[in-house]
Amino acid sequence: KAGVTQTPRYLIKTRGQQVTLSCSPISGHRSVSWYQQTPGQGLQFLFEYFSETQRNKGNFPGRFSGRQFSNSRSEMNVSTLELGDSALYLCASSSDSLYYGYTFGSGTRLTVV
Amino acid sequence: AQSVSQHNHHVILSEAASLELGCNYSYGGTVNLFWYVQYPGQHLQLLLKYFSGDPLVKGIKGFEAEFIKSKFSFNLRKPSVQWSDTAEYFCAVNKRSGGGADGLTFGKGTHLIIQP
Repeated sequence: KAGVTQTPRYLIKTRGQQVTLSCSPISGHRSVSWYQQTPGQGLQFLFEYFSETQRNKGNFPGRFSGRQFSNSRSEMNVSTLELGDSALYLCASSSDSLYYGYTFGSGTRLTVV
Repeated sequence: AQSVSQHNHHVILSEAASLELGCNYSYGGTVNLFWYVQYPGQHLQLLLKYFSGDPLVKGIKGFEAEFIKSKFSFNLRKPSVQWSDTAEYFCAVNKRSGGGADGLTFGKGTHLIIQP
């Protein structure tokens, strides 16, 4: 069974630009959630999508947005990038029952210069 | 807002020593509890989880955790650690809601180093 796939693995962007990250969940998983990991703040919840609807949202500014497609693939967008947005962005998918918990991808390392 | 506290940020043990990593959360409702491990250069992997039932949960690689509701704790244990257990360990919690569960709230992590 293929795992959670995140693309790209690495990104370098300039302040003020926008970026889109992609996540393909495990087949059959309808829930996709996104997290930001930084050395200072640790792992923080961004948002969760379930069947194309945002079900939960963390405490991040509106520059962070996402969407989910009918095949459960999800994208996360960050507009007007700031230096502080440099982080590892992780995506996790889960089944409806959460039987196997949340399965995480390897992440996208975003560097803003 | 709920929070998760991991007591030790860095732990150094010798091989064969016993391990206990503390985790406390602050939320009074019904929660799901998780321990994740992140080996160097690898992605987060689920060690074990607790939703309900027997408060002593067994996970992979010989790890177990005990949920003590009165103490809001979910401590991770392993009777005898190995060098390959060197990793970052995260405790995480989410609260159950009608539509499923909220996003995970993670602790800051414990960096475990096992010396041969």
